[in-house]
Amino acid sequence: GAVVSQHPSRVICKSGTSVKIECRSLDFQATTMFWYRQFPKQSLMLMATSNEGSKATYEQGVEKDKFLINHASLTLSTLTVTSAHPEDSSFYICSAREPGGGSEPYEQYFGPGTRLTVT
Amino acid sequence: GQNIDQPTEMTATEGAIVQINCTYQTSGFNGLFWYQQHAGEAPTFLSYNVLDGLEEKGRFSSFLSRSKGYSYLLLKELQMKDSASYLCAVLDSNYQLIWGAGTKLIIKP
Repeated sequence: GAVVSQHPSRVICKSGTSVKIECRSLDFQATTMFWYRQFPKQSLMLMATSNEGSKATYEQGVEKDKFLINHASLTLSTLTVTSAHPEDSSFYICSAREPGGGSEPYEQYFGPGTRLTVT
Repeated sequence: GQNIDQPTEMTATEGAIVQINCTYQTSGFNGLFWYQQHAGEAPTFLSYNVLDGLEEKGRFSSFLSRSKGYSYLLLKELQMKDSASYLCAVLDSNYQLIWGAGTKLIIKP
């Protein structure tokens, strides 16, 4: 099946610094990638939809200037958390959709996630 | 608004059968997914239903009734490794996935 990688898997940073998370589709080209955030014991919250070559579409309540998304190629999307604060500590997960649907229409393939801790 | 409901937590015994229900109210419907998520890991795909009826895949089966806005995930011959959260997600009219809060399944020996 389709594989999505995410890097780093864990990161600890100091308040006020920026952190970049990479999401790569390894064996397929992903025209659409999604970025989610998950707080402990809660479900996935979609932050933004990233389309290759165009600006990301952010969900209501997500600050686009704080969470910068760049989908520069068909296999790479990046999420940069700028001026991170302790309340940004969360599990960030990306997913990608394979053009044509893959094994199931509109199935999303998930990366392993990045646990961000802001101290 | 869009809403997906599933129980917060369920407990079952190893070797038994458990059914996890999901009801939904969404703007349009283009299919329903079930994902499994172990603690600290990303979700993994279990099933996709777009037509009414039961889809069986080994120990896991998923059922859909579009008229009732209802689905269930049936897990048979439960194993300890099945302890996880099970997420129901609906693809709406914009082909956007709407996620339920997840059901934490606890398996006891």
